Formats: sequence, structure tokens, C-alpha cells
Amino acid sequence: DQQVKQNSPSLSVQEGRISILNCDYTNSMFDYFLWYKKYPAEGPTFLISISSIKDKNEDGRFTVFLNKSAKHLSLHIVPSQPGDSAVYFCAAFFRSGGSNYKLTFGKGTLLTVNP
Amino acid sequence: SQTIHQWPATLVQPVGSPLSLECTVEGTSNPNLYWYRQAAGRGLQLLFYSVGIGQISSEVPQNLSASRPQDRQFILSSKKLLLSDSGFYLCAFSGSSYEQYFGPGTRLTVT
Repeated sequence: DQQVKQNSPSLSVQEGRISILNCDYTNSMFDYFLWYKKYPAEGPTFLISISSIKDKNEDGRFTVFLNKSAKHLSLHIVPSQPGDSAVYFCAAFFRSGGSNYKLTFGKGTLLTVNP
Repeated sequence: SQTIHQWPATLVQPVGSPLSLECTVEGTSNPNLYWYRQAAGRGLQLLFYSVGIGQISSEVPQNLSASRPQDRQFILSSKKLLLSDSGFYLCAFSGSSYEQYFGPGTRLTVT
């Protein structure tokens, strides 16, 4: 059972335009949601996160929106730059007890920003 | 600052051979440690996690095992590799918060 879903395997946008990456989840117990960016042959790097008690978090060109009723979150990148081309993973976390923080990842969306 | 190291960066091993991948973390104490695998074209699959020395939790039954002999050292092993073990292996750590930080990864090809 896939609890975090990224239904778009790829997305292509023009430089300077907005990129919108989507993520859906099924487990209403998730406390936090995170976005990671991954270049080929490298480890993912943390981008931005949002708590389940908020509906928006912004950091520079990156904004994450959370719609709890729809169990949906999205990452907006404005303006998109060619260096943003990478695979973006959505991840979710709930504290199941103790200190074992486990993240559940989606399968990723490949973003290509064309010059 | 906190850093995470993995080695080797790439590895080509024949079927049936043993495996040992090492991960070390600097700049933090008592981290939670994780091993993930990314198969070609797929997402990140959590293999093992550890909340302390000698404490290992396995997420999926498989041909691999993990050990944590020291606080900031995490080792992924196999006695006999299978073709299906090929993939990109990532070590990660987290501290007191939920954010995980990943190492550079090891590309394993089993031939």
C-alpha cells in the first residue's frame, strides 16, 4: 500500500515559469511533510518541510502548500531555473513512538526546466 | 557541522560474493541512522533503521543485514549477493527532528 503518491513521473517547464509538483497521501496520521531534491548519482538534499498544522510554508523560490482535507500537498518553484532540473521526492512522517523517526517517500517526479 | 560519509562510491560485485558498505556520521551524537535503496527508476525504499548502538530494525525481508557497531557507524552487509541487490544505496541520519540528511550514495552493480 503506497501511502505517499506522486502521480506524475515527470514534468517539463520553461525557465522563468512556475513549476508545480504534486503529492497525495493516504495516512491522516502524518505530522510533517518534506520535499527532497535529488540529482543523478547523488543523495537527496532536503528542500523544505511543512507541519500538518500549517497550510503554507515559504522559503525563497520554494513554497509548499498543504490541503489536509484533500490529503494533498504541492511544491511551487517560482521562477524555475535550469539548475532546478532534478528528481523531487515528497516524504511524510509520523511519530510512531519513541525516537524512531521514519519517513515514507513517494516515487519521485523528474522536473526538467528548459532554458 | 554535521556530515555523512559513505564508501565506496561505486562497486561491481559478482553474484554470490559478500558485501560491506560503510556509513559514518560526524558532528552529531546518538543519531538515528537509515539505509535506503533506490532501484532503477523507482523511489526510495527504507531497508533498515537504527536508533542506537546494536539496535537494528528491518523494514523488508531480504538478502541484506545491517549493523551499528559504534554510535556514528552504520554498516550494510550481505553474505551472498543476488542480481536483484543491484541499486543505489543511501545512508541517512536524523537528529532530534524529523529531517533526514543523506550521504552521497553507493552505486552497486551485481554481475
